[in-house]
Amino acid sequence: GAGVSQSPRYKVAKRGQDVALRCDPISGHVSLFWYQQALGQGPEFLTYFQNEAQLDKSGLPSDRFFAERPEGSVSTLKIQRTQQEDSAVYLCASSPGQAEETQYFGPGTRLLVL
Amino acid sequence: DQQVKQNSPSLSVQEGRISILNCDYTNSMFDYFLWYKKYPAEGPTFLISISSIKDKNEDGRFTVFLNKSAKHLSLHIVPSQPGDSAVYFCAASLRSSGAGSYQLTFGKGTKLSVIP
Repeated sequence: GAGVSQSPRYKVAKRGQDVALRCDPISGHVSLFWYQQALGQGPEFLTYFQNEAQLDKSGLPSDRFFAERPEGSVSTLKIQRTQQEDSAVYLCASSPGQAEETQYFGPGTRLLVL
Repeated sequence: DQQVKQNSPSLSVQEGRISILNCDYTNSMFDYFLWYKKYPAEGPTFLISISSIKDKNEDGRFTVFLNKSAKHLSLHIVPSQPGDSAVYFCAASLRSSGAGSYQLTFGKGTKLSVIP
């Protein structure tokens, strides 16, 4: 079956530009997570949705980062006024239920801010 | 302060031999641990997991051992194959926290190279 998909796979932005990253989770998965992975590091948690409800946004690094999942399926991570330190791979993961620990990851979006 | 640590950035092993990847954690509240494998330009792929109520879980060539008193877990791959060459991430979660979030806390990864 189809896994988690993300688009675009690569994004180059000029500093100060707004970007929007899309995640299509596995169909029917209740939970959706966003992670940020800097070069040479492990993924770091950004935010978590259970259906359309954003239950945890403690990992968002600043108020320039905003995520939504309005219909409980597709999610968008938006970064406003991008800065060079935002350059990273942004990973989306989904899991079947609210207490399911195994998260299935998409291929990521590699963002480069110049 | 890193709560999950993988102190070996890289490991090289001969094909057919055992690969042992190590992971340490500092938060004693973690109660679920996972290993993910990552190839370049792909997302992490789930490999194997273990609950804190167990000390061993086995799946084919992969075995994870958990030593709670030492806050240490390890992944054993036997026998190692060239296709196992990838970056391996250890991750932990607070399943029973009741906080409504099941975020994973990852280590920095260990790059495994299996030499034919």
